[in-house]
Amino acid sequence: GAGVSQSPSNKVTEKGKDVELRCDPISGHTALYWYRQSLGQGLEFLIYFQGNSAPDKSGLPSDRFSAERTGGSVSTLTIQRTQQEDSAVYLCASSLGSGGDNEQFFGPGTRLTVL
Amino acid sequence: GENVEQHPSTLSVQEGDSAVIKCTYSDSASNYFPWYKQELGKGPQLIIDIRSNVGEKKDQRIAVTLNKTAKHFSLHITETQPEDSAVYFCAASSSGTYKYIFGTGTRLKVLA
Repeated sequence: GAGVSQSPSNKVTEKGKDVELRCDPISGHTALYWYRQSLGQGLEFLIYFQGNSAPDKSGLPSDRFSAERTGGSVSTLTIQRTQQEDSAVYLCASSLGSGGDNEQFFGPGTRLTVL
Repeated sequence: GENVEQHPSTLSVQEGDSAVIKCTYSDSASNYFPWYKQELGKGPQLIIDIRSNVGEKKDQRIAVTLNKTAKHFSLHITETQPEDSAVYFCAASSSGTYKYIFGTGTRLKVLA
């Protein structure tokens, strides 16, 4: 079966431009997470969606970052007015349930480079 | 807040030797401890996990041990092979929350 997919795999943009990153979770998974991984660093939690509940946006680093999840499936992470410090790999994960003891399945990530 | 410390940050071993990565967590409510392997250019993949009702779990060359009293858990890889080279992340979570608290990662290099 298909895993978590993300697009694009690579994105190069100029400082100040907006970018949209897409995540397709595993079918039937109700929970969806976005993480940021800077070069050689760990996983920084950004945002969490669970079903129709209000998302947990506590990890978003600034108001330039936003995310949506339409129809409980596909999610889009938008970064407005990109800055060089936004350069990182953005990872999406999904899980079957909302409990922390559910395995999170990760996508391959989108590598964002801001020039 | 909750925290997971992971050591070492880098580890080099000769092929065939064992590798051990250690993590310490702070939240006593944590009851689920997954380990992820991230190969270059890929997303992390779960390789083994352990729940708090057991002290050890083994899957072929990989094992994880948990000491709840000390809030320590460790990943053990025996008979290492070059394809074990990757970054390994530990995490702690609980059934009462949805967040994983990840360690900072260990870059393992297996030298042929």
